[in-house]
Amino acid sequence: QSALTQPASASGSPGQSITISCTGTSSDVGGYNHVSWYQQHPGRAPKLMIYDVSNGISGVSNRFSGSKSGNTASLTISGLQAEDEADYYCSAYTTSSTVVFGGGTRLTVL
Amino acid sequence: QVQLQESGPGLVKPSETLSLTCTVSGYSISSGYNWAWIRQPPGKGLEWIGRIYHSGPPHYNPSLKSRVTISVDTSKNQFSLKLNSVTAADTAMYSCARDGNYEYGAFDIWGQGTMVTVSS
Repeated sequence: QSALTQPASASGSPGQSITISCTGTSSDVGGYNHVSWYQQHPGRAPKLMIYDVSNGISGVSNRFSGSKSGNTASLTISGLQAEDEADYYCSAYTTSSTVVFGGGTRLTVL
Repeated sequence: QVQLQESGPGLVKPSETLSLTCTVSGYSISSGYNWAWIRQPPGKGLEWIGRIYHSGPPHYNPSLKSRVTISVDTSKNQFSLKLNSVTAADTAMYSCARDGNYEYGAFDIWGQGTMVTVSS
């Protein structure tokens, strides 16, 4: 299985909105509504932010939202804050009953 | 509060077998959920290794399937990873995690991870 495609980097200023894409195929992202998003700060374990494309997690800011169109899923962060600077990963369930991650996006808050 | 803790050698020689254990506290593995192993090479992205359910067969990443075994010991509330014939490419932070959404990859609880280096 090939890793999902994410932009290597993204950046935005405080208060802005930013969207990170995650592109796969009809065998993963496009096959089911089982896409998750993770935030990872340096030296820390990943933190689940979104699951099943757009479902939020208790305790996670509602500034984080997810969507999907075809084989591409997206994570949008609104009202960008300095603490949002981190690596972001998407994952998707596949038609082989496995899970595949994206390559990760490093978000910089300018 | 559910917690996961990885344990095992931090250094493994090339061609040998990497063996790690994840101990779950605050929840009985036999009560449900799928449990997974995920790794992250230094400076790189996440890679799903595989998962296991207490009463079902494990599922593995196709790229690692020939070298991986994941098993569960409900009496000890642990699940384990064995990766044989390791090379330097297997050097990574290895983490265990709970899939909070059946088997669909919503890993809501993670261990702190354990760094494994493959070197002679």
